[in-house]
Amino acid sequence: DSGVTQTPKHLITATGQRVTLRCSPRSGDLSVYWYQQSLDQGLQFLIQYYNGEERAKGNILERFSAQQFPDLHSELNLSSLELGDSALYFCASSPWGVGEQYFGPGTRLTVT
Amino acid sequence: QQQVKQSPQSLIVQKGGISIINCAYENTAFDYFPWYQQFPGKGPALLIAIRPDVSEKKEGRFTISFNKSAKQFSLHIMDSQPGDSATYFCAARGSFSGSARQLTFGSGTQLTVLP
Repeated sequence: DSGVTQTPKHLITATGQRVTLRCSPRSGDLSVYWYQQSLDQGLQFLIQYYNGEERAKGNILERFSAQQFPDLHSELNLSSLELGDSALYFCASSPWGVGEQYFGPGTRLTVT
Repeated sequence: QQQVKQSPQSLIVQKGGISIINCAYENTAFDYFPWYQQFPGKGPALLIAIRPDVSEKKEGRFTISFNKSAKQFSLHIMDSQPGDSATYFCAARGSFSGSARQLTFGSGTQLTVLP
C-alpha cells in the first residue's frame, strides 16, 4: 500500500459526459501528479500540482482539467468524454525535491 | 527529446534465472531513473531507483546498472521467481531547471517467470 488513495476504483459512463476522479496523496506529500495509462499510449504524464499550484503540464487534453485543494487532495475533471478516453488514470505523490513518486491504485474509466 | 525506449516488450524466464530489461534515453537533462513494477489491476510500485552519479545499485535480488556515456540503464532480477511475473517500467525524471519533475516512462516489459 503506497499511502495514495484514489476514488472511485471503477467508473463507467457514456460519451459526452463529465466525470471527476479524486486523489489523496500520502501524508506530508505536497506534490501530486496525474498519469493516464492506455494500451496504445502506455503511461503518459498529464499534469502536476504542488501545494495547490499547477507546476507542469504534459499531454493533457483541453477537455481535461485538474486542481489541488488546500487539504492537498486533487481532482481530475474529464469532460465531453470520448471512447478514446477509456483508460486507467493514476495519481502519484511525492515530497517536493525528492525523486520518489508513489502511485495510487488507479481509477479505471470506461466510456461507452 | 523526452523519450525513454525500453526492451524487450516481453520476456520469459525460468525460475532461478536472471531477467534483464534494458532502457535507453536521449535527454541528458534526466537526473533520476526509477524502475516500477506493476501487477494487473494495481498501480505501479516503485522498485528501485538510481541517479546518474552512480553506476550500479543493488537492493536484494534487484540491480540497476547505469551507463551514463551510453545513456542506457538496465534492471537485472537475479534468481527470478514466479511471483516476479509482472510488467516492469523504466522511467526517467527531468531536471529541476525545466520544472519537469514528472516521469517519462518506457513502454513496459511483461515478465513471465515459469515455475
